[in-house]
Amino acid sequence: GAVVSQHPSRVICKSGTSVKIECRSLDFQATTMFWYRQFPKKSLMLMATSNEGSKATYEQGVEKDKFLINHASLTLSTLTVTSAHPEDSSFYICSADDAVSYEQYFGPGTRLTVT
Amino acid sequence: GENVEQHPSTLSVQEGDSAVIKCTYSDSASNYFPWYKQELGKGPQLIIDIRSNVGEKKDQRIAVTLNKTAKHFSLHITETQPEDSAVYFCAARRETSGSRLTFGEGTQLTVNP
Repeated sequence: GAVVSQHPSRVICKSGTSVKIECRSLDFQATTMFWYRQFPKKSLMLMATSNEGSKATYEQGVEKDKFLINHASLTLSTLTVTSAHPEDSSFYICSADDAVSYEQYFGPGTRLTVT
Repeated sequence: GENVEQHPSTLSVQEGDSAVIKCTYSDSASNYFPWYKQELGKGPQLIIDIRSNVGEKKDQRIAVTLNKTAKHFSLHITETQPEDSAVYFCAARRETSGSRLTFGEGTQLTVNP
């Protein structure tokens, strides 16, 4: 299957700082990428849909100024958590739509801890 | 919007037995139904999917069935092994560019040796 990478896999940051997470589709082009947040023992919560070359579409309740998304190319999307707070600590996962098959492939996730 | 319900939330089986996880969906326009396996601390992995133009699909020990009329689809794992232990998520979507997946709540499958 197709491969999606995420970097970093784990990050610890102090309150008030910003953290950037990268998501790359390694062997296919992704017109659309998605960012999810997952709490322990829960399903995936969609935060935003990211389309290459245009602004992201955020789900209701997700602050667009806090979670900045950039989809600069068909293989790269980034999520920046700005002015992080301890309640932003979570497992963040990206996924990418294969533009040909419409199958959606997930990255390995990023564990963010805000101290 | 779409709503996906998944049952059971936990499932424990003996090694070698079969496991079945069931999902229902609400949007009759949904036509793509993937299943994902998520191991602890990792991202979900696509293990099998089915489109609405077929009723069943099989890949080795894994099979998925779809009943469009009843809006049901199920995952069947035969000859389970301890390494099958994970959380399994079903999902549904319309197969158009940029459309979102709607997930079930997940099933924690435990295969006891």
